Amino acid sequence: QVQLQESGPGLVKPSQTLSLTCTVSGGSISSGSYYWSWIRQPAGKGLEWIGRIYTSGSTNYNPSLKSRVTISVDTSKNQFSLKLSSVTAADTAVYYCARGDITIFGVVGYGMDVWGQGTTVTVSS
Amino acid sequence: EIVMTQSPATLSVSPGERATLSCRASQSVSSNLAWYQQKPGQAPRLLIYGASTRATGIPARFSGSGSGTEFTLTISSLQSEDFAVYYCQQYNNWPPFGGGTKVEIK
Repeated sequence: QVQLQESGPGLVKPSQTLSLTCTVSGGSISSGSYYWSWIRQPAGKGLEWIGRIYTSGSTNYNPSLKSRVTISVDTSKNQFSLKLSSVTAADTAVYYCARGDITIFGVVGYGMDVWGQGTTVTVSS
Repeated sequence: EIVMTQSPATLSVSPGERATLSCRASQSVSSNLAWYQQKPGQAPRLLIYGASTRATGIPARFSGSGSGTEFTLTISSLQSEDFAVYYCQQYNNWPPFGGGTKVEIK
Protein backbone atom coordinates (compact mmCIF):
# COMPACT_ATOMS: atom_id res chain seq x y z
CA GLN A 1 0.00 0.00 0.00
CA VAL A 2 1.39 3.37 -0.99
CA GLN A 3 2.56 5.69 1.79
CA LEU A 4 3.69 9.31 1.69
CA GLN A 5 6.08 10.95 4.15
CA GLU A 6 6.92 14.63 4.35
CA SER A 7 10.34 15.79 5.51
CA GLY A 8 12.13 19.10 5.90
CA PRO A 9 13.01 21.83 8.38
CA GLY A 10 10.40 22.61 11.00
CA LEU A 11 11.61 26.18 11.42
CA VAL A 12 12.27 28.68 8.64
CA LYS A 13 13.32 32.31 9.01
CA PRO A 14 11.23 35.07 7.45
CA SER A 15 12.20 35.95 3.86
CA GLN A 16 13.90 32.57 3.39
CA THR A 17 12.76 29.63 1.28
CA LEU A 18 10.74 26.78 2.74
CA SER A 19 11.79 23.43 1.26
CA LEU A 20 9.92 20.17 1.84
CA THR A 21 10.21 16.72 0.30
CA CYS A 22 7.60 13.99 0.05
CA THR A 23 8.89 10.43 -0.23
CA VAL A 24 6.57 7.93 -1.85
CA SER A 25 6.86 4.30 -0.79
CA GLY A 26 4.94 1.23 -1.92
CA GLY A 27 4.36 2.56 -5.42
CA SER A 28 6.01 4.39 -8.29
CA ILE A 29 5.79 8.14 -8.57
CA SER A 30 6.25 7.72 -12.32
CA SER A 31 2.90 6.02 -12.88
CA GLY A 32 0.74 7.97 -15.27
CA SER A 33 -2.30 7.19 -13.14
CA TYR A 34 -1.42 9.67 -10.42
CA TYR A 35 -0.71 13.31 -9.73
CA TRP A 36 1.04 14.65 -6.66
CA SER A 37 -0.07 17.61 -4.57
CA TRP A 38 0.84 19.83 -1.66
CA ILE A 39 -1.77 21.20 0.74
CA ARG A 40 -1.34 23.24 3.89
CA GLN A 41 -3.39 24.02 6.96
CA PRO A 42 -2.71 26.85 9.41
CA ALA A 43 -3.48 25.96 13.00
CA GLY A 44 -7.21 25.91 13.62
CA LYS A 45 -8.05 26.75 10.02
CA GLY A 46 -9.16 25.00 6.86
CA LEU A 47 -7.29 23.33 4.03
CA GLU A 48 -5.44 25.35 1.40
CA TRP A 49 -4.34 23.70 -1.83
CA ILE A 50 -0.84 24.80 -2.83
CA GLY A 51 -0.17 23.02 -6.11
CA ARG A 52 0.34 19.77 -7.95
CA ILE A 53 2.65 18.05 -10.40
CA TYR A 54 1.81 15.36 -12.89
CA THR A 55 4.21 12.68 -14.07
CA SER A 56 4.70 14.60 -17.32
CA GLY A 57 6.24 17.35 -15.22
CA SER A 58 3.36 19.73 -15.76
CA THR A 59 2.46 21.82 -12.73
CA ASN A 60 -0.45 23.90 -11.48
CA TYR A 61 -0.31 26.31 -8.57
CA ASN A 62 -2.62 28.24 -6.27
CA PRO A 63 -2.93 31.66 -7.94
CA SER A 64 -2.29 33.45 -4.68
CA LEU A 65 0.99 31.57 -4.17
CA LYS A 66 2.08 31.08 -7.76
CA SER A 67 4.85 33.68 -7.75
CA ARG A 68 6.54 31.98 -4.79
CA VAL A 69 5.92 28.25 -5.35
CA THR A 70 7.85 25.59 -7.21
CA ILE A 71 6.93 21.91 -7.19
CA SER A 72 9.30 19.39 -8.76
CA VAL A 73 9.68 15.63 -8.98
CA ASP A 74 12.71 13.34 -8.70
CA THR A 75 11.69 10.00 -10.16
CA SER A 76 15.06 8.40 -9.32
CA LYS A 77 14.35 8.93 -5.63
CA ASN A 78 10.56 8.48 -5.85
CA GLN A 79 10.13 11.92 -4.33
CA PHE A 80 8.49 15.22 -5.09
CA SER A 81 9.32 18.54 -3.51
CA LEU A 82 7.89 21.92 -2.57
CA LYS A 83 9.76 25.20 -2.47
CA LEU A 84 8.06 28.32 -1.17
CA SER A 85 10.14 31.47 -1.29
CA SER A 86 10.04 34.72 0.66
CA VAL A 87 8.11 33.19 3.53
CA THR A 88 6.36 35.16 6.25
CA ALA A 89 4.58 34.22 9.44
CA ALA A 90 1.45 33.70 7.34
CA ASP A 91 3.10 30.63 5.83
CA THR A 92 3.24 28.89 9.20
CA ALA A 93 1.13 25.76 8.84
CA VAL A 94 1.01 21.98 8.71
CA TYR A 95 2.08 20.98 5.22
CA TYR A 96 0.69 17.80 3.66
CA CYS A 97 1.72 15.96 0.54
CA ALA A 98 -0.92 13.84 -1.15
CA ARG A 99 -1.65 11.66 -4.17
CA GLY A 100 -4.49 12.01 -6.61
CA ASP A 101 -5.65 8.92 -8.46
CA ILE A 102 -6.96 9.67 -11.94
CA THR A 103 -8.92 6.40 -11.97
CA ILE A 104 -10.83 7.62 -8.90
CA PHE A 105 -11.35 11.26 -9.76
CA GLY A 106 -11.47 10.97 -13.52
CA VAL A 107 -9.19 13.93 -14.17
CA VAL A 108 -5.90 15.50 -13.13
CA GLY A 109 -7.59 17.74 -10.62
CA TYR A 110 -7.75 18.56 -6.94
CA GLY A 111 -8.87 15.25 -5.43
CA MET A 112 -6.53 13.39 -3.06
CA ASP A 113 -6.92 9.75 -2.11
CA VAL A 114 -3.73 9.19 -0.10
CA TRP A 115 -2.20 11.71 2.29
CA GLY A 116 1.03 12.00 4.20
CA GLN A 117 0.84 12.54 7.95
CA GLY A 118 1.83 16.19 7.60
CA THR A 119 4.75 18.22 8.88
CA THR A 120 4.60 21.42 10.88
CA VAL A 121 6.54 24.38 9.53
CA THR A 122 6.93 27.52 11.61
CA VAL A 123 8.19 30.76 10.13
CA SER A 124 9.96 32.74 12.81
CA SER A 125 13.24 34.50 13.44
CA GLU B 1 -14.66 30.77 -9.39
CA ILE B 2 -16.81 28.18 -7.61
CA VAL B 3 -17.56 28.78 -3.95
CA MET B 4 -18.26 25.76 -1.74
CA THR B 5 -20.37 26.51 1.32
CA GLN B 6 -20.77 23.96 4.09
CA SER B 7 -23.46 24.01 6.73
CA PRO B 8 -23.74 24.02 9.60
CA ALA B 9 -20.32 25.13 10.77
CA THR B 10 -20.75 22.99 13.87
CA LEU B 11 -23.12 20.06 14.38
CA SER B 12 -23.75 18.68 17.87
CA VAL B 13 -24.88 15.07 17.81
CA SER B 14 -25.24 12.30 20.38
CA PRO B 15 -23.52 8.97 19.75
CA GLY B 16 -25.80 6.62 17.86
CA GLU B 17 -27.74 9.45 16.24
CA ARG B 18 -27.83 10.38 12.58
CA ALA B 19 -25.78 13.30 11.29
CA THR B 20 -26.56 15.17 8.09
CA LEU B 21 -23.99 17.59 6.66
CA SER B 22 -24.66 19.89 3.73
CA CYS B 23 -22.45 21.30 1.01
CA ARG B 24 -23.58 23.78 -1.60
CA ALA B 25 -21.72 24.86 -4.72
CA SER B 26 -22.20 28.30 -6.23
CA GLN B 27 -22.50 26.66 -9.65
CA SER B 28 -22.89 23.12 -10.85
CA VAL B 29 -20.00 20.74 -10.20
CA SER B 30 -21.94 17.77 -11.61
CA SER B 31 -20.97 14.78 -9.42
CA ASN B 32 -17.33 15.84 -9.03
CA LEU B 33 -17.65 16.14 -5.27
CA ALA B 34 -15.61 14.51 -2.52
CA TRP B 35 -15.90 14.41 1.25
CA TYR B 36 -12.94 14.18 3.63
CA GLN B 37 -12.80 13.48 7.35
CA GLN B 38 -10.12 15.05 9.52
CA LYS B 39 -9.55 14.14 13.15
CA PRO B 40 -7.42 16.34 15.44
CA GLY B 41 -3.73 15.97 14.72
CA GLN B 42 -4.34 13.77 11.68
CA ALA B 43 -4.31 14.21 7.94
CA PRO B 44 -7.62 14.33 6.09
CA ARG B 45 -8.99 11.00 4.86
CA LEU B 46 -10.99 10.53 1.69
CA LEU B 47 -14.50 9.27 2.52
CA ILE B 48 -16.59 9.81 -0.60
CA TYR B 49 -15.89 10.66 -4.22
CA GLY B 50 -18.14 11.03 -7.21
CA ALA B 51 -20.65 12.49 -4.70
CA SER B 52 -21.78 9.05 -3.56
CA THR B 53 -19.03 6.42 -3.91
CA ARG B 54 -17.37 5.34 -0.71
CA ALA B 55 -13.59 5.18 -0.81
CA THR B 56 -11.81 1.95 0.01
CA GLY B 57 -12.31 0.84 3.60
CA ILE B 58 -14.95 3.43 4.49
CA PRO B 59 -17.78 2.00 6.61
CA ALA B 60 -21.27 1.76 5.14
CA ARG B 61 -22.67 4.17 7.75
CA PHE B 62 -21.15 6.96 5.65
CA SER B 63 -23.18 7.87 2.58
CA GLY B 64 -23.10 10.73 0.13
CA SER B 65 -25.79 12.06 -2.14
CA GLY B 66 -26.57 14.93 -4.47
CA SER B 67 -25.45 16.36 -7.78
CA GLY B 68 -25.15 19.75 -9.39
CA THR B 69 -25.06 22.24 -6.55
CA GLU B 70 -26.53 20.48 -3.50
CA PHE B 71 -24.77 17.66 -1.69
CA THR B 72 -25.23 15.79 1.57
CA LEU B 73 -23.03 13.58 3.69
CA THR B 74 -24.99 11.37 6.06
CA ILE B 75 -23.54 9.38 8.93
CA SER B 76 -26.30 6.96 9.85
CA SER B 77 -25.31 6.18 13.45
CA LEU B 78 -22.48 8.20 14.88
CA GLN B 79 -19.67 6.29 16.51
CA SER B 80 -17.17 7.85 18.89
CA GLU B 81 -14.50 7.81 16.18
CA ASP B 82 -16.69 9.86 13.82
CA PHE B 83 -16.44 13.09 15.78
CA ALA B 84 -14.22 15.15 13.50
CA VAL B 85 -14.20 17.93 10.92
CA TYR B 86 -15.63 17.11 7.50
CA TYR B 87 -14.69 18.95 4.32
CA CYS B 88 -16.42 18.85 0.99
CA GLN B 89 -14.38 19.42 -2.14
CA GLN B 90 -15.23 19.91 -5.78
CA TYR B 91 -12.24 18.42 -7.47
CA ASN B 92 -12.45 19.64 -11.04
CA ASN B 93 -12.24 23.40 -10.62
CA TRP B 94 -10.62 26.11 -8.55
CA PRO B 95 -10.86 26.64 -5.61
CA PRO B 96 -11.44 23.18 -4.26
CA PHE B 97 -12.36 23.12 -0.59
CA GLY B 98 -15.34 24.11 1.54
CA GLY B 99 -14.80 25.59 4.99
CA GLY B 100 -15.64 22.43 6.90
CA THR B 101 -18.26 21.21 9.36
CA LYS B 102 -17.20 20.18 12.82
CA VAL B 103 -19.20 17.27 14.23
CA GLU B 104 -18.99 17.39 18.00
CA ILE B 105 -20.41 15.33 20.82
CA LYS B 106 -23.72 16.62 22.17
